[in-house]
Amino acid sequence: EVELEQSGAEVKKPGESVRISCQGFGYTFSSYWIAWVRQKPGKGLEWMGIIYPGDSDTRYGPSVEGQVTISVDTSIATAYLEWKSLKASDTGMYFCVRRHVDKSTLDFWGQGTLVAVSS
Amino acid sequence: QSVLTQPPSLSAAPGQRVTISCSGSTFNIGNNYVSWYQQLPGTAPKLLIYENDKRPSGIPDRFSGSKSDTSATLGITGLQTGDEADYFCGTWDTSLSVVVFGGGTKLTVL
Repeated sequence: EVELEQSGAEVKKPGESVRISCQGFGYTFSSYWIAWVRQKPGKGLEWMGIIYPGDSDTRYGPSVEGQVTISVDTSIATAYLEWKSLKASDTGMYFCVRRHVDKSTLDFWGQGTLVAVSS
Repeated sequence: QSVLTQPPSLSAAPGQRVTISCSGSTFNIGNNYVSWYQQLPGTAPKLLIYENDKRPSGIPDRFSGSKSDTSATLGITGLQTGDEADYFCGTWDTSLSVVVFGGGTKLTVL
């Protein structure tokens, strides 16, 4: 059974850094793109970016380009989303998602990681 | 402002049928498959419909999807209280090179 297990909630101050993780189970991790999707409190879903673990090819969404770094460690089947300097507006729930063969379809979702940024 | 347009909310009685619309453009829905996601309160979204009208294993046939030109529709029959959730449509956008989503429709089963 495919599962994506995300790291726990993070509470940070503006300007701090954080890296959250997403570990895949039950499938060949290196063969499927992993995307990150943000959901701000009470809002909809927003695409952040995607990485192909097989060769670390990474694409960022225009709203986060330069603000975050997506990476992967295939030896432990884990993808990462990292901020070097958080802002209050980064507060939200972050989901990692496996992309289906078709690029429009996100077929398995992690449980989400809450990142709360407040002074 | 979401790239895809959905009604913010809908309500219906148990046992009834409801449809949720999702409107886009030729850059997204018009030339790509549409997916639908169900987000129960306090949980992660779950894939409900993919490639316009296919159901993943385990999704009951009360849920259906269709697409026409630049719009898509999610149908739910035999509504149950457990169907109360937010529903999102999503698809690839060829001009933005990202997956775009609708703003979500909050379904209330009265």
